[in-house]
Amino acid sequence: SAVISQKPSRDICQRGTSLTIQCQVDSQVTMMFWYRQQPGQSLTLIATANQGSEATYESGFVIDKFPISRPNLTFSTLTVSNMSPEDSSIYLCSVREGNRGTFGSGTRLTVV
Amino acid sequence: QQPVQSPQAVILREGEDAVINCSSSKALYSVHWYRQKHGEAPIFLMILLKGGEQKGHDKISASFNEKKQQSSLYLTASQLSYSGTYFCGTELIQGAQKLVFGQGTRLTINP
Repeated sequence: SAVISQKPSRDICQRGTSLTIQCQVDSQVTMMFWYRQQPGQSLTLIATANQGSEATYESGFVIDKFPISRPNLTFSTLTVSNMSPEDSSIYLCSVREGNRGTFGSGTRLTVV
Repeated sequence: QQPVQSPQAVILREGEDAVINCSSSKALYSVHWYRQKHGEAPIFLMILLKGGEQKGHDKISASFNEKKQQSSLYLTASQLSYSGTYFCGTELIQGAQKLVFGQGTRLTINP
C-alpha cells in the first residue's frame, strides 16, 4: 500500500495566521483527499485534490479558507488560512490505491 | 449524507463477539471499514462492493446488504488489539473514490 509522509505532525499557531500542511506519497495517485477530524469526532472531507485541475470542495468548505495545491501526482498541500480557534483540529490527507485507502499520520493543529 | 453507525460504543471482555452496523439513506456503491487507535491514523480493514458479498479478515468479517444500504462488521473472539474506533466510509458512485464516514463506534476490549 501507499506510504504517505505528512508534515508538520503538529503545530500551535496564532489566530489570524496561516499554516500549510504537506503530503508526499511514495507512488503516483490521481486523487488526494483532505479530511478534518475534530477530537473524538468523525472524519469530514474537506476537498478532493486532482493534479492539473482545481480542487473540488465539499459543502461548508471554501477555497479562500482552505486553498489546496496539487503540483504533481505525488504531492499536495492544504493551507488553513486566517485561522481561528475553531480551526483547531487534526487534518489528514488520504489516497486510494485500487480499493485500499491510506491516511497520512495527520497534523494536529492548535490555534491560540 | 453521513451514514449512521450503531452502537456508538461497546465494551467487551477479551474473547467476546461484537457487531457494528452502518446504515445509509442513499444507495451505495461500496462500504469501507477502518479502525483508528487513539492518536493514530485510520487503518483500512476491508471494502464491500455492492452485490451483497461478505468478506473476512482474520476474525473480522463484514457483510453488505445493498438493498437496505446497510453493512455490518463482525468481530469474533475479540482480542485486546481490536480496541479502537471503527468507522464505516461510504462511496456513492463507482469511481468517485471519496468517502463519507459515519460517526464512529468506540470499541473497548478488557482482559
